[in-house]
Amino acid sequence: GAGVSQSPSNKVTEKGKDVELRCDPISGHTALYWYRQSLGQGLEFLIYFQGNSAPDKSGLPSDRFSAERTGGSVSTLTIQRTQQEDSAVYLCASSLGQVSYNEQFFGPGTRLTVL
Amino acid sequence: AQSVTQPDIHITVSEGASLELRCNYSYGATPYLFWYVQSPGQGLQLLLKYFSGDTLVQGIKGFEAEFKRSQSSFNLRKPSVHWSDAAEYFCAVGYNAGNNRKLIWGLGTSLAVNP
Repeated sequence: GAGVSQSPSNKVTEKGKDVELRCDPISGHTALYWYRQSLGQGLEFLIYFQGNSAPDKSGLPSDRFSAERTGGSVSTLTIQRTQQEDSAVYLCASSLGQVSYNEQFFGPGTRLTVL
Repeated sequence: AQSVTQPDIHITVSEGASLELRCNYSYGATPYLFWYVQSPGQGLQLLLKYFSGDTLVQGIKGFEAEFKRSQSSFNLRKPSVHWSDAAEYFCAVGYNAGNNRKLIWGLGTSLAVNP
């Protein structure tokens, strides 16, 4: 596609429920990043996929968070047993990959509200 | 440890005035430096980046930034601000983590523009 897309754009859920957030990166981009942005805060790195390499999960805040990337393209971030502190905007970005520091292209984000 | 500091949380300028947003970084090697802008309701967009070479880099929307190694700074400037420049501005530094390419982000500076 023309840019990074994310769905849904908004998600309201009840505490304790599981949610799945989807990211479609730009075609041909081998690197994919997930970030979390809380109100008035900067970007918090969550996880990074690069090609077929093992993902860098060092930013995941707890074992309730997981992500996968199927076929080197679409990625899904799953939050199990959501808590109110999970409320944030979840941003996905993609880039061309490991060669140099390529620009990260961001999607519009998914705003998650946990009631 | 790598870090990025944006000392100004919020700045207000008058339309037509000049602008400088500060960014200081801590990184042991030559940094890869970025400025992104996040407009209300919009995704993050790259304004400019510094990898090497000329320390004064030009970006989109009339912005420029100057890398000063001696001051560990990468300040963003614009000679004449437009009302549409009101947004959140993020500075980021790229670094190596094994085979990974990651960005460390500042907390952002919120810019308001008075008519």
